Amino acid sequence: GENVEQHPSTLSVQEGDSAVIKCTYSDSASNYFPWYKQELGKRPQLIIDIRSNVGEKKDQRIAVTLNKTAKHFSLHITETQPEDSAVYFCAASRGTGRRALTFGSGTRLQVQP
Amino acid sequence: DAGITQSPRHKVTETGTPVTLRCHQTENHRYMYWYRQDPGHGLRLIHYSYGVKDTDKGEVSDGYSVSRSKTEDFLLTLESATSSQTSVYFCAISESTGAGELFFGEGSRLTVL
Repeated sequence: GENVEQHPSTLSVQEGDSAVIKCTYSDSASNYFPWYKQELGKRPQLIIDIRSNVGEKKDQRIAVTLNKTAKHFSLHITETQPEDSAVYFCAASRGTGRRALTFGSGTRLQVQP
Repeated sequence: DAGITQSPRHKVTETGTPVTLRCHQTENHRYMYWYRQDPGHGLRLIHYSYGVKDTDKGEVSDGYSVSRSKTEDFLLTLESATSSQTSVYFCAISESTGAGELFFGEGSRLTVL
């Protein structure tokens, strides 16, 4: 099955700085890579996703990049704000058939004001 | 928020007792999932369902069973709870498997003493 590794496990940045979270996956057939954000005590929610036919996707201050050859993808948050403080999860799946998402272990991002 | 509710939201039980968690959705989504969340492990898939009476195992299915007799309900049962099953359990739904957004419930915190 798929295995997703996520680094770092914790990340502290100053407000206004950029943050980068990296994930690697094992299944070369995976083609769907979402990122979820979980605020303290809340449920995880999708913030951005990318499919294998695209190398980069942006949505305002967040962007995701994908390198299929190296089997890794990253989340980039620019101009971080205190409300970006949360746990972020990457995930991967084949996207077809009866396949569920496999999640990484999460990154706790702390944005210091 | 998607119409998905979990019950109970909090439960404390003793080792060896049976426990059932319920997930109810009003979105008529075909796919339903049970994940557990533990520090350092992220979200791990327990079981999922791709239709009424159609279920499959995830990566951490030992000690758990599920049932789905109606589209809207997905039950997770711990036949004989153990302390290692102390966790936060999240139900999720999606319209498509593998490559679509997961909508999570609010979570059920289970403590096994």
